[in-house]
Amino acid sequence: GAVVSQHPSRVICKSGTSVKIECRSLDFQATTMFWYRQFPKQSLMLMATSNEGSKATYEQGVEKDKFLINHASLTLSTLTVTSAHPEDSSFYICSARVPLVNTEAFFGQGTRLTVV
Amino acid sequence: AQSVAQPEDQVNVAEGNPLTVKCTYSVSGNPYLFWYVQYPNRGLQFLLKYITGDNLVKGSYGFEAEFNKSQTSFHLKKPSALVSDSALYFCAVRDFGNEKLTFGTGTRLTIIP
Repeated sequence: GAVVSQHPSRVICKSGTSVKIECRSLDFQATTMFWYRQFPKQSLMLMATSNEGSKATYEQGVEKDKFLINHASLTLSTLTVTSAHPEDSSFYICSARVPLVNTEAFFGQGTRLTVV
Repeated sequence: AQSVAQPEDQVNVAEGNPLTVKCTYSVSGNPYLFWYVQYPNRGLQFLLKYITGDNLVKGSYGFEAEFNKSQTSFHLKKPSALVSDSALYFCAVRDFGNEKLTFGTGTRLTIIP
């Protein structure tokens, strides 16, 4: 299947700082990527849909000024958690699918963010 | 609107026994159904999907799932469980034409040696 790579896999940051998470489609071009957040022992919550060359679409209740998404190329989307606080600590996962080829989505390895 | 229900938070099965992880769904149109597996601190791995055609679909690692339209179910099955199958399993659905996936709450499968 297609490969989606996410970096870093783990990050620890201090409260008030910003953290950037990268999501790359390694062997295909993705016009659309998705960002999820997963709380411990819970399901995935869709945060936003990242669209190449245009603004991201955020789900209801997700602060777009806190979670900045940039999809500047067909193989890279970034999620920046701005002014992070301990309650932002979570597991963040991105996904994408190969347009017109695959109906299933492929997921990155996830990023464990800990804000101290 | 689309939704998925996984009624069991936890399923325990003895090694070598058959396993079933349940999933029911709701969509307004034709469903695209998926099963994913997640290991600790990792992303989701695709197991199998139903789009159209045969109701019984086969996937990775010996898993299969049966699409039942009348019962709106898509249960995951495996004839003989392995200890290495222990993981968190997610059922997901999206309506034809909808890019967004909706996930169930997940079922933790534990295979007992």
